[in-house]
Amino acid sequence: EAGVTQFPSHSVIEKGQTVTLRCDPISGHDNLYWYRRVMGKEIKFLLHFVKESKQDESGMPNNRFLAERTGGTYSTLKVQPAELEDSGVYFCASSQVSQNDEQFFGPGTRLTVL
Amino acid sequence: AQSVTQLDSHVSVSEGTPVLLRCNYSSSYSPSLFWYVQHPNKGLQLLLKYTSAATLVKGINGFEAEFKKSETSFHLTKPSAHMSDAAEYFCVVTLISNSNSGYALNFGKGTSLLVTP
Repeated sequence: EAGVTQFPSHSVIEKGQTVTLRCDPISGHDNLYWYRRVMGKEIKFLLHFVKESKQDESGMPNNRFLAERTGGTYSTLKVQPAELEDSGVYFCASSQVSQNDEQFFGPGTRLTVL
Repeated sequence: AQSVTQLDSHVSVSEGTPVLLRCNYSSSYSPSLFWYVQHPNKGLQLLLKYTSAATLVKGINGFEAEFKKSETSFHLTKPSAHMSDAAEYFCVVTLISNSNSGYALNFGKGTSLLVTP
């Protein structure tokens, strides 16, 4: 069974540009989460989808970030326009529909904004 | 609010000696606690989880953790370190969620474990 995959693995962009990160969850997992780790800081929750619906987006830093999950399968996280402080590693995780189910994480996308 | 504090940013042990990674939590209710591990260039992997059953939780690769409510601690231990244990370890508590179908995770800052020959 394939795990959670993320694309790209690395992205280097200039301030003001747009970047779109993609996450493919494990097949059949309705829960999908985005997290971010900024350099030197903790991994922080961004948002949670259940199927295609945003269940909790309390961790989204500002309106430059837009997450979508059309069709309830893969998800994208777009940053527009990117700022220097957006640099970090963006993780995606998925789980089955239960409060006690393990979250399986992808390897992350390392975003560098110059 | 639910939070965790990992008391050491770096821990170094010799191969074959015990491992102790410390974690204290703060929670306004009975928490669910986890330890995750991240090896270089890999995704986060669940080591073990505590969800109010047995206070001593056994995980993968010989790791275990004990939930101590009186000390608000959830330290991770292993009797004998192996070179392959070198990685970054995260203590995690669930955030309060408005969803009945999942929960967000609140991570500690991480502890890098170095294992020397």
